[in-house]
Amino acid sequence: DAGVIQSPRHEVTEMGQEVTLRCKPISGHNSLFWYRQTMMRGLELLIYFNNNVPIDDSGMPEDRFSAKMPNASFSTLKIQPSEPRDSAVYFCASSFIAGGDTDTQYFGPGTRLTVL
Amino acid sequence: AQSVTQLDSHVSVSEGTPVLLRCNYSSSYSPSLFWYVQHPNKGLQLLLKYTSAATLVKGINGFEAEFKKSETSFHLTKPSAHMSDAAEYFCVVSDRPHKLIFGTGTRLQVFP
Repeated sequence: DAGVIQSPRHEVTEMGQEVTLRCKPISGHNSLFWYRQTMMRGLELLIYFNNNVPIDDSGMPEDRFSAKMPNASFSTLKIQPSEPRDSAVYFCASSFIAGGDTDTQYFGPGTRLTVL
Repeated sequence: AQSVTQLDSHVSVSEGTPVLLRCNYSSSYSPSLFWYVQHPNKGLQLLLKYTSAATLVKGINGFEAEFKKSETSFHLTKPSAHMSDAAEYFCVVSDRPHKLIFGTGTRLQVFP
């Protein structure tokens, strides 16, 4: 298996621009997670999808952030408009959750976003 | 509420010497506990996972961790450090399927 795939790996943009991050989870997994990693706040869960449905979006910072999962093999995280404080590494992870069991989350390589 | 505390932000060892990375957790329920490793500019990789089957958990690359309920600890150890072990290590606790709580990380340096 190729693992979790994220694109782009690096993104540099100017303040005010729209940014779209993409994720392909591991085939057969039913859960997908978006995380943000910064020096100040560490790793934070932004949103969690189960069977393509957003279950917990309490970590999404504000209305500028939105996430979609149109099918089991693709998800996007969009920031519009972007701000310098959004600069971070964004990770996508996937897992198979069944019957209430915690299962291992497999992380992608991350997208390093820099907003100038 | 669940939380995890990594007691050392940096640990330095010489190659060939033992590694000890300390982690204490707080959870109202029987938690699942994980250690993840992050090499520079890479994603997070699972080292090992505890889910109440056995208190001593063996992971990849010679790492292991022992769950001690009385001490609420889940320390990560390795008998002999290798240069390739230099990375950031995260202790993680979870008592719900989707909710991982990450520690602040411990940066391991390995000197030749």
